[in-house]
Amino acid sequence: RKEVEQDPGPFNVPEGATVAFNCTYSNSASQSFFWYRQDCRKEPKLLMSVYSSGNEDGRFTAQLNRASQYISLLIRDSKLSDSATYLCVVNTHTGGFKTIFGAGTRLFVKA
Amino acid sequence: DAGITQSPRHKVTETGTPVTLRCHQTENHRYMYWYRQDPGHGLRLIHYSYGVKDTDKGEVSDGYSVSRSKTEDFLLTLESATSSQTSVYFCAISEEGLGGYTFGSGTRLTVV
Repeated sequence: RKEVEQDPGPFNVPEGATVAFNCTYSNSASQSFFWYRQDCRKEPKLLMSVYSSGNEDGRFTAQLNRASQYISLLIRDSKLSDSATYLCVVNTHTGGFKTIFGAGTRLFVKA
Repeated sequence: DAGITQSPRHKVTETGTPVTLRCHQTENHRYMYWYRQDPGHGLRLIHYSYGVKDTDKGEVSDGYSVSRSKTEDFLLTLESATSSQTSVYFCAISEEGLGGYTFGSGTRLTVV
């Protein structure tokens, strides 16, 4: 089992749709979590941090479920410009520092 | 306004030659990282640095070495390039070890 797993997709959704991605992690000692966005042939860019209490930034909502060991990203009212690959990141700092990137979920938003 | 730059952006090199990639930051961040990204594998950590002359290995460090003689510069060297090292290489910086990263624009390396 991979330490961090994402559904690779692709997710094909129409403009205005709501779409959700999940990312599961295997290490219960993981401490911090992030979502990144990566456009084709570009570098990943930090989208948002993920907190136990959940956090929202405009149309984007991220949540953490420690009991089930997954994080989620919800995008409401999808725009064409949301088309990208979304990477989840899980950090662990027990007995060493370790950051694991998921392989990413591809999203295509269609007009 | 980029606080992190990588050079070169593209490089083609022959098998067996040494190659050095450079990462330069203007943010004065303590942590710097080198990742490679390959289809189906996501981003994998090669080496990282937590201060000047303080470096450590990541999960795919074989065949690579790094140096950090100044806060702002982190060099990645492929000692003898192989075709399996054809990849996109990203440098990243962070203020804290477990904080969010800022990535450079990447270096596309092809080893022929």
